[in-house]
Amino acid sequence: ILNVEQSPQSLHVQEGDSTNFTCSFPSSNFYALHWYRWETAKSPEALFVMTLNGDEKKKGRISATLNTKEGYSYLYIKGSQPEDSATYLCAPRGGGNKLTFGTGTQLKVEL
Amino acid sequence: DVKVTQSSRYLVKRTGEKVFLECVQDMDHENMFWYRQDPGLGLRLIYFSYDVKMKEKGDIPEGYSVSREKKERFSLILESASTNQTSMYLCASSSPPADLDEQFFGPGTRLTVL
Repeated sequence: ILNVEQSPQSLHVQEGDSTNFTCSFPSSNFYALHWYRWETAKSPEALFVMTLNGDEKKKGRISATLNTKEGYSYLYIKGSQPEDSATYLCAPRGGGNKLTFGTGTQLKVEL
Repeated sequence: DVKVTQSSRYLVKRTGEKVFLECVQDMDHENMFWYRQDPGLGLRLIYFSYDVKMKEKGDIPEGYSVSREKKERFSLILESASTNQTSMYLCASSSPPADLDEQFFGPGTRLTVL
């Protein structure tokens, strides 16, 4: 079982603030890194799948970077909106089809 | 749109009962997964399946079994429910290629064992 750490555990920001979270994972035997967003009362939904060191992906105001050599990924949200309130999960994949999920960063965006 | 459905959103059972949690996906995905989510522990993999009649243990299979008789359906079975199996259970499905296969999740079943 991979040791996956996400920080911070929770975060409160004001509407319009930019924010970022960290996902740390073992750099050995790395295959891919997934980011998911999980809104309350909904299903987790995939944001990004990243595989290459230095990868940077973007979807609207949300972007992510990947450093496989040191074992971390950052997720950035620019100009946070209340609809961004959710728990953000990262999940690295080692060999095989199994993902190991972190405990998530719970984001609350206040008006 | 991919749709993954789970048979119940909320379920209350008694200790010792046999419990079936059903999951159905409509996108012809080969891979299906069962997770449980507990506060402070994240999503933990119970069992997964690559194909019909195939199953593999995840990280926490004890106390659970699974069945996959048809490609679209993956069942999680609690042979004798216990209070420590009170949790949120999520089903997911995905399709190869393995390195890029995002998982599509169902809405979850919140199971309470009394």
